Formats: sequence, structure tokens, C-alpha cells
Amino acid sequence: TAGITQAPTSQILAAGRSMTLRCTQDMRHNAMYWYRQDLGLGLRLIHYSNTAGTTGKGEVPDGYSVSRANTDDFPLTLASAVPSQTSVYFCASSDGGGGDEQFFGPGTRLTVL
Amino acid sequence: GQNIDQPTEMTATEGAIVQINCTYQTSGFNGLFWYQQHAGEAPTFLSYNVLDGLEEKGRFSSFLSRSKGYSYLLLKELQMKDSASYLCAVMDSNYQLIWGAGTKLIIKP
Repeated sequence: TAGITQAPTSQILAAGRSMTLRCTQDMRHNAMYWYRQDLGLGLRLIHYSNTAGTTGKGEVPDGYSVSRANTDDFPLTLASAVPSQTSVYFCASSDGGGGDEQFFGPGTRLTVL
Repeated sequence: GQNIDQPTEMTATEGAIVQINCTYQTSGFNGLFWYQQHAGEAPTFLSYNVLDGLEEKGRFSSFLSRSKGYSYLLLKELQMKDSASYLCAVMDSNYQLIWGAGTKLIIKP
């Protein structure tokens, strides 16, 4: 079982360019999440989706958009990248219940120059 | 505002016991999670507490006091592979996780 996968593993992107980070899970989880992790800070929620067809804004949504066309996929798009979006991005999923653990993908390391 | 505090770094000796503390102030409480994250890897689930008390799982135990806004993760019989960051996260009233910055645990032989 693959669990949750992300692509690409890493990317260097020129400022002003757009990019989509891909995330796919095969656990049939209802909820999916995008986080960014920066040195010295906790994981910060960018966007989430409680079920296919719905999305919501997290703590730091500006500059990012998401879609949830089906249960398995939850892509994150940067429309016009800026250097402050340099970070490690983690996608996660859970069954969606209150005490359900979140399973994380391996992460995408993005550098915006 | 919402806040999760945990020490930035701790050092312990192989075979010993270490306690990593976490204090929190959040809007609502629907449970506290501990995750382990090795350098360059994804976080992985360790424990979940929603009621006061101690939850034991092998070499790892987690304690919660909701009235004090306090939790700790206890690691026994430390092994070199336990060198990692330990992340404390609280599920708030919106069922979203609020994360601490993590405690980097260094194990020395």
C-alpha cells in the first residue's frame, strides 16, 4: 500500500512562476490537508478538505489554492510564487474524525528564487 | 491567540529516560497528539490523549492534564534511533491541529 504520495520531491522555481504540488492517497480518507514547515516554526495549515468537493482555508492560505475533485487527489497550486513560499510542503490525510491521526506524505521541498 | 510551547532541544543518554513537556493555550480542545519526525522525513503518529491521565505504548508514554494545559511525552530505554524531533499538536474547536515547533532530541552514546 502506497499510503500517501507527493510529487515532486523537490523543486527550484523562479519567482513569478506558477506550480502545482501533487498529492494522492489510496486510503480512502475523507479529509486531506496541506501544511508548510519552516525552520523554528510548527507545521502551519494552508488549506484543508473535509470531503471530496469541499475545501477550506487554514492559517496561511494567501498565495495558494486547492481543489478536491475526488477522494484521492488534493493538488496545491501556487499561482505566482514568491521567495517567502520557500518551504517544505507536507500533504496529509485522515478519516476525518476528532481523534483520527493524520498520515503524512514524504513532503516536497520547494525553493523559490 | 493559540499557542503551543515545547523546548527547542534536549539531550539524553542512550538507555536513559527523557520527558518532553508541552504546554498549550488553544480555542477549544479535542485532544492532543504527539508525532515523531526524523530529519528530512515526514511526521509519524505516536500518541493521542483526550482524557486526563497516562497512556502507555511500549517504551513511549504520554500524559495529559487538561486543567493545566499540559502534556508530556516520556521515552524510556532510549535508543540511538530515537534521535528525532517530537511534535506536540492540539486539536482545536474546529477540529484543526495546532502544532508546536517541535523538540529536537539528541541521544548520546
